[in-house]
Amino acid sequence: DAKTTQPTSMDCAEGRAANLPCNHSTISGNEYVYWYRQIHSQGPQYIIHGLKNNETNEMASLIITEDRKSSTLILPHATLRDTAVYYCIVGYSTLTFGKGTMLLVSP
Amino acid sequence: IAGITQAPTSQILAAGRRMTLRCTQDMRHNAMYWYRQDLGLGLRLIHYSNTAGTTGKGEVPDGYSVSRANTDDFPLTLASAVPSQTSVYFCASSDLGGDEQFFGPGTRLTVL
Repeated sequence: DAKTTQPTSMDCAEGRAANLPCNHSTISGNEYVYWYRQIHSQGPQYIIHGLKNNETNEMASLIITEDRKSSTLILPHATLRDTAVYYCIVGYSTLTFGKGTMLLVSP
Repeated sequence: IAGITQAPTSQILAAGRRMTLRCTQDMRHNAMYWYRQDLGLGLRLIHYSNTAGTTGKGEVPDGYSVSRANTDDFPLTLASAVPSQTSVYFCASSDLGGDEQFFGPGTRLTVL
């Protein structure tokens, strides 16, 4: 079973920030938080990962709570092309994908 | 640079037939993985390989076998296909201990 809990779906207006939450209350000390996304009919794409510090790259920001039991992926200015299923994954080497959050970005 | 490729793109197969799905990467990654994706179930790990010459079982290995003769190739074989193996199969690779897995475009397999 996946170690994470995510909302089934979310909506976001184009140009606004998309904040995707994830709960991982059973995370172990050496496990990272990874985020991937999957656009329809394509293979998953890596977005970002972190251990305990907040992280930012050209795609997104990752905010991890101090107790590491939850995190939020932030897409600062969502576009229509960001419509996808977003997976929050906790692990170290092999990844266990859950069902993810379907993010729909609308005009 | 091709990255990671899979073949075939799609295949319809009669039950009981043998089938090998091919996966090749040109990134010199040590680790490679096979996942299957079924509607409503997300991606599930079938087999993995941390380096050439070694393989390991994932979450759903039954009915599948893999080999890793070299760094670049990681074929997945269904010795005798069954309808429950109808799925989309994704291959991925990463540096051993690396943070990012790169996924191929997938193979859509239908077993009748």
